[in-house]
Amino acid sequence: AQSVTQLGSHVSVSEGALVLLRCNYSSSVPPYLFWYVQYPNQGLQLLLKYTTGATLVKGINGFEAEFKKSETSFHLTKPSAHMSDAAEYFCAVSDHNTDKLIFGTGTRLQVFP
Amino acid sequence: GAGVSQTPSNKVTEKGKYVELRCDPISGHTALYWYRQSLGQGPEFLIYFQGTGAADDSGLPNDRFFAVRPEGSVSTLKIQRTERGDSAVYLCASSFGQGDTDTQYFGPGTRLTVL
Repeated sequence: AQSVTQLGSHVSVSEGALVLLRCNYSSSVPPYLFWYVQYPNQGLQLLLKYTTGATLVKGINGFEAEFKKSETSFHLTKPSAHMSDAAEYFCAVSDHNTDKLIFGTGTRLQVFP
Repeated sequence: GAGVSQTPSNKVTEKGKYVELRCDPISGHTALYWYRQSLGQGPEFLIYFQGTGAADDSGLPNDRFFAVRPEGSVSTLKIQRTERGDSAVYLCASSFGQGDTDTQYFGPGTRLTVL
């Protein structure tokens, strides 16, 4: 069975600092991996996804993530945090048989001025 | 174009009552998903439609939960004899139905509170 683990339910950074949100997955088949962001009182929005090809994936709002098979990781990074990045971030893996998404428990990012 | 819409945005009901939650997917999307998000948790899969048929309903927690999509567009999630444990945000998502690399577009959710 596929699963996703997000280490750190809360991450706090200063504005301008590096953002690093961790995601590890478990999958017996090549995974398709996603990062979604959820702003308060809004729906989930796709940040980026990895399916095949280049392992460094660039997404919206300056975020990127790198698929590392040897580490079973798909960590999300952004070089310089903005106040507007404060939100909940979810990592997910897609089930190959049914296309459903299996989500981690989320990481809440706080950005301090 | 318009995104996924869900109505109502909030629903408060009493234990034992019946509720219906509606999802309007993006036009042209053949796949539709329902997820449930409890406080402090990530979304959990409930059911997936491809067209009018439920392709996977393995996430429905018990037989009090049922969903339909009679014309392959709008979907309704129905919960009978609601329990306090059903309180959560119910999310709907849709996609082009082209496989597991497809992007799912989410609606804003319906917050269900069972008193």
